[in-house]
Amino acid sequence: AQSVAQPEDQVNVAEGNPLTVKCTYSVSGNPYLFWYVQYPNRGLQFLLKYITGDNLVKGSYGFEAEFNKSQTSFHLKKPSALVSDSALYFCARKGGQGNLIFGKGTKLSVKP
Amino acid sequence: DVKVTQSSRYLVKRTGEKVFLECVQDMDHENMFWYRQDPGLGLRLIYFSYDVKMKEKGDIPEGYSVSREKKERFSLILESASTNQTSMYLCASSFGNGQGREKLFFGSGTQLSVL
Repeated sequence: AQSVAQPEDQVNVAEGNPLTVKCTYSVSGNPYLFWYVQYPNRGLQFLLKYITGDNLVKGSYGFEAEFNKSQTSFHLKKPSALVSDSALYFCARKGGQGNLIFGKGTKLSVKP
Repeated sequence: DVKVTQSSRYLVKRTGEKVFLECVQDMDHENMFWYRQDPGLGLRLIYFSYDVKMKEKGDIPEGYSVSREKKERFSLILESASTNQTSMYLCASSFGNGQGREKLFFGSGTQLSVL
């Protein structure tokens, strides 16, 4: 079955340091992959997507993600973390019915 | 900006009650979705709809039904609420049937507690 996995429940980063939030996907066809973010007490927001083409995808708020086919990964990255980046991050992939299948989420905590 | 509005932010209901969760979007989106969000389980799809009067079961439809009589409104119905349906419910919408379908716009969620 098509799925994504987020191996870390929580990631802690100091402000100004680079951050990585990990995501791996099951090998099944060509994956369409996404990252969404949920800030406290708010709905989820779209960050970026990978459909095809360049393996490095740039998104909102300075985030980017790298598609790696050999490692079946789609890790979210940012060169310099901000305290305001603290949120819940969800990786997702397109399912067979055109809907989105989400991972369990990773809580990012950025400390000053 | 797209606005997806869920009628209640917090809701408390009793076991066995029939519960209606309402969702309205203002951007003429064809597609609408209901997810529930639980800690450690992420988002799980309950039902979705790609057109008026059309519905499709998601991964966890048991105990739920939906109604889409108008394009802008997608209602989630708990026929007989149970304590294991205590959760955060998220409504989302998206445009079209191409790649844009996967860019979801979410409401702020309804935290439902069933006592």
